[in-house]
Amino acid sequence: GENVEQHPSTLSVQEGDSAVIKCTYSDSASNYFPWYKQELGKRPQLIIDIRSNVGEKKDQRIAVTLNKTAKHFSLHITETQPEDSAVYFCAASPSNTGKLIFGQGTTLQVKP
Amino acid sequence: NAGVMQNPRHLVRRRGQEARLRCSPMKGHSHVYWYRQLPEEGLKFMVYLQKENIIDESGMPKERFSAEFPKEGPSILRIQQVVRGDSAAYFCASAQGVSAGNTIYFGEGSWLTVV
Repeated sequence: GENVEQHPSTLSVQEGDSAVIKCTYSDSASNYFPWYKQELGKRPQLIIDIRSNVGEKKDQRIAVTLNKTAKHFSLHITETQPEDSAVYFCAASPSNTGKLIFGQGTTLQVKP
Repeated sequence: NAGVMQNPRHLVRRRGQEARLRCSPMKGHSHVYWYRQLPEEGLKFMVYLQKENIIDESGMPKERFSAEFPKEGPSILRIQQVVRGDSAAYFCASAQGVSAGNTIYFGEGSWLTVV
């Protein structure tokens, strides 16, 4: 079955710096790759997603890149702010199942 | 359009009791997923259901756990004879379809504490 590895597990940056989180997946049939932000005690919130026919997608300070050949995708957050502090999860969805296989999560701390 | 509704939000059960968690998907969504999140861990897929059918239960523990999504009413995740290790957040998600063009929406979660 699908397996998703996420790195790093923790990331600390200064406010205004960029943050990059990387994920690799094992199932080449996966075709949907969302990223979720989760604050303590809250549900996962979708922040950006990318589908397998696209290599890069950007939404204001957030961007995601996908390399299908290498089976990895990355989240880039620019000009980080303290409110970006949270746990971020990547996920991959095996083709036409709808279910999500999550990475282990990255705890991002943005220091003022 | 209300989002994915889960209840109860918090549930306390003694060891050996039963826990029932309910999930109403977003309007128009017929695909329901349950995920479990142990403390300080990621989300693990448990089960995928459509109306009256279990499509994929590969993530469900073999014993004590069951799920249903009846023709009428919410999806139910049932945990019998709970143990302390069942303490976790249980998230339900729904989608309109399963193709890559369909976004998956999560509910607020049900936090189960077994004492």
